[in-house]
Amino acid sequence: NAGVMQNPRHLVRRRGQEARLRCSPMKGHSHVYWYRQLPEEGLKFMVYLQKENIIDESGMPKERFSAEFPKEGPSILRIQQVVRGDSAAYFCASSPPEGRNGPNYGYTFGSGTRLTVV
Amino acid sequence: GDSVTQMEGPVTLSEEAFLTINCTYTATGYPSLFWYVQYPGEGLQLLLKATKADDKGSNKGFEATYRKETTSFHLEKGSVQVSDSAVYFCALSDRDSWGKLQFGAGTQVVVTP
Repeated sequence: NAGVMQNPRHLVRRRGQEARLRCSPMKGHSHVYWYRQLPEEGLKFMVYLQKENIIDESGMPKERFSAEFPKEGPSILRIQQVVRGDSAAYFCASSPPEGRNGPNYGYTFGSGTRLTVV
Repeated sequence: GDSVTQMEGPVTLSEEAFLTINCTYTATGYPSLFWYVQYPGEGLQLLLKATKADDKGSNKGFEATYRKETTSFHLEKGSVQVSDSAVYFCALSDRDSWGKLQFGAGTQVVVTP
């Protein structure tokens, strides 16, 4: 019974390149949440997705960042034209289906992807 | 908007000492409150939670009580071990923004033998 799987664990990109971070939710989970942890800071909410639907993207930067959760396959957080300030740990969490979503019900975090922009 | 404030670290203490990490919150509704722990190089693990006023969450010797009157959710452990060295995050989830966690900045705890 695998947990939330994130890959890669570490990602190095040069300024201007694209970064793609993947998150496979726990089996039976259909809600995915992305958070960003800047150095020496707490986690900041970015986006909440169900399959093929973005529920809340209030924490997403307006430019260069996008997220998707297709019908098949993992959720993808995409950062275009990365800059040094994008260096951070990106965490994904997943939760069970509608009616049991949210942190009170089986909300589980992955181990994160640590992005370094050089 | 909602916010969480927790004491700054690092907190350094000896094995078997008493640990307290203060956490206070601001929320418009009646949030659920959580403590998460992050070990080096790992993701966050739920340590304990409380969903309504006066609830006490407990796990692995850690406890925290949801105090509505003081808007606090302080984490305590009576006798820490070296293995408790980690970063601890206080967080809330407001019923109106279900699915979204608001985190404090985290408190690093270092326990020495």
